[in-house]
Amino acid sequence: IAGITQAPTSQILAAGRRMTLRCTQDMRHNAMYWYRQDLGLGLRLIHYSNTAGTTGKGEVPDGYSVSRANTDDFPLTLASAVPSQTSVYFCASSEGPGLPQHFGDGTRLSIL
Amino acid sequence: ELKVEQNPLFLSMQEGKNYTIYCNYSTTSDRLYWYRQDPGKSLESLFVLLSNGAVKQEGRLMASLDTKARLSTLHITAAVHDLSATYFCAVDPGTYKYIFGTGTRLKVLA
Repeated sequence: IAGITQAPTSQILAAGRRMTLRCTQDMRHNAMYWYRQDLGLGLRLIHYSNTAGTTGKGEVPDGYSVSRANTDDFPLTLASAVPSQTSVYFCASSEGPGLPQHFGDGTRLSIL
Repeated sequence: ELKVEQNPLFLSMQEGKNYTIYCNYSTTSDRLYWYRQDPGKSLESLFVLLSNGAVKQEGRLMASLDTKARLSTLHITAAVHDLSATYFCAVDPGTYKYIFGTGTRLKVLA
């Protein structure tokens, strides 16, 4: 079934550790996104990529980095995790402007 | 700074009743999206509104967009329990930097 795969599903991580959340799509969408969802705050954009090889900062990029080496993969890295990064992380993709985003199932991340 | 505000944040309604969720945004945009999220699940796309006056309907849900007023509405007709979920609007300012509203948690009571 075509879609977006995120891994891991959930993770508990010690503060200060490095963590990479994986996101892979098989729809050949040009644009990909990373959001964090926190209670009462909705979804906030962390980073985006409008095409392979290009990335951009969203609303809350600090403490996170991304790469887009190819069309299908868009990993999100926390270089040194802090408790305030405890959240649910969603990866999404879209064919382009004016088209809806397709979301993965999310990664629930707890930083202790 | 683009802001997107939804109201109400919480909505409890009886089955069979009608209600409207409002989405106001603070900058010029003619691209607005509505999504649904069930508890513990991902988001699924409901409607894409791409021009002033656009109206889309699917079942008991109808969405509209007024770009001049910077307002979108999601109208629920004769609510049923299966519509219980959180509904988000999202605005695309044309830069890939989508901004989501904080969501409206809808509970339909039998």
